[in-house]
Amino acid sequence: ELKVEQNPLFLSMQEGKNYTIYCNYSTTSDRLYWYRQDPGKSLESLFVLLSNGAVKQEGRLMASLDTKARLSTLHITAAVHDLSATYFCAVDMSSQGNLIFGKGTKLSVKP
Amino acid sequence: KAGVTQTPRYLIKTRGQQVTLSCSPISGHRSVSWYQQTPGQGLQFLFEYFSETQRNKGNFPGRFSGRQFSNSRSEMNVSTLELGDSALYLCASSLVGTGVDTQYFGPGTRLTVL
Repeated sequence: ELKVEQNPLFLSMQEGKNYTIYCNYSTTSDRLYWYRQDPGKSLESLFVLLSNGAVKQEGRLMASLDTKARLSTLHITAAVHDLSATYFCAVDMSSQGNLIFGKGTKLSVKP
Repeated sequence: KAGVTQTPRYLIKTRGQQVTLSCSPISGHRSVSWYQQTPGQGLQFLFEYFSETQRNKGNFPGRFSGRQFSNSRSEMNVSTLELGDSALYLCASSLVGTGVDTQYFGPGTRLTVL
């Protein structure tokens, strides 16, 4: 059974600081997704990582994938309040629309 | 391009009743997946449909069922509601659901069971 673990589950940061969220998964996969969810809202796609060594960046967020280590990271650079949200990683195992999600990392960026 | 739409957005039901939720995917998308989100269990996969066929099913009881129509719109049904079915139900659409195309999520239907 595929398990996806994120850490930390809660993260309180000061504006301007850097931090990394980790996503480990238990079975071989080369398809990993990062989503953002604001309170009371749906999930917004951030990154799709489809191969070992994939790195994608958008603004202050950068995601990478190491399929050999079964690890993805979401790095936050110089955090701002607008980044406060819950971030989920998800792994696709079946190629049939079945995403297995981590429990999410609730990020709070304080001034 | 219009996003994924779900109706209704909010629903209150009592135990024992049944409920039907609807999802309209992004135009051109043929795969629709359904997920349940609760504070305790997080996001869990319910099932996925492609070309009117259920291709994959999560670990939920038979009270949870779904279908997809020829226009790719999908419905999910929960019969004999239990208190534990209270959740945010999200549907997501993608082009063909192969894993290399992104799943785009709708706003969700928040179901409360009293």
